[in-house]
Amino acid sequence: DAKTTQPPSMDCAEGRAANLPCNHSTISGNEYVYWYRQIHSQGPQYIIHGLKNNETNEMASLIITEDRKSSTLILPHATLRDTAVYYCIVRVETGSWGKLQFGAGTQVVVTP
Amino acid sequence: EAQVTQNPRYLITVTGKKLTVTCSQNMNHEYMSWYRQDPGLGLRQIYYSMNVEVTDKGDVPEGYKVSRKEKRNFPLILESPSPNQTSLYFCASSLGYTTYEQYFGPGTRLTVT
Repeated sequence: DAKTTQPPSMDCAEGRAANLPCNHSTISGNEYVYWYRQIHSQGPQYIIHGLKNNETNEMASLIITEDRKSSTLILPHATLRDTAVYYCIVRVETGSWGKLQFGAGTQVVVTP
Repeated sequence: EAQVTQNPRYLITVTGKKLTVTCSQNMNHEYMSWYRQDPGLGLRQIYYSMNVEVTDKGDVPEGYKVSRKEKRNFPLILESPSPNQTSLYFCASSLGYTTYEQYFGPGTRLTVT
């Protein structure tokens, strides 16, 4: 299973872009990169996912390097409500249908 | 509104007293799953279901049972709860089990004394 490495914490100023890095150097060719976030003890919330190409939706952008060994989640204009733990997940498929392997994530604190 | 609901949200119980945590989704999702979250251990999958009457074990199934008699409901059953099952529990659902996003419920905080 591909594992991910994220910084344990980062701060971001309100209104600025937040760039959250993730390393997944052992990712397989058919594994997707997912991002979820969890606001204090609430249920995790899906943000975005991608395979090779960069993706953008109303919440964020996902930039995946060409070799797919790392990715960056971009929150374009961080707000106080974006304070949460952000999880970068590589989707485990074989033998564990649908399981999301959550790591420790990155605690993002958005400050005024 | 599309959502996953769980009940109860908070529960304090005693060792050995059977309990059920309900989970329901209104999105006609095929895939449903239960996770538990513990400090330092993150979220771990307990059981999952790919459709009605199809369930399988996740990473930490010991002490838990599930059933999937209807597509919308996926209850988690603790036949004889023990203190080590004190945790925060989340139900999740998705359209399918491959690349679809998963929707999580609000969580059930269970304390077993």
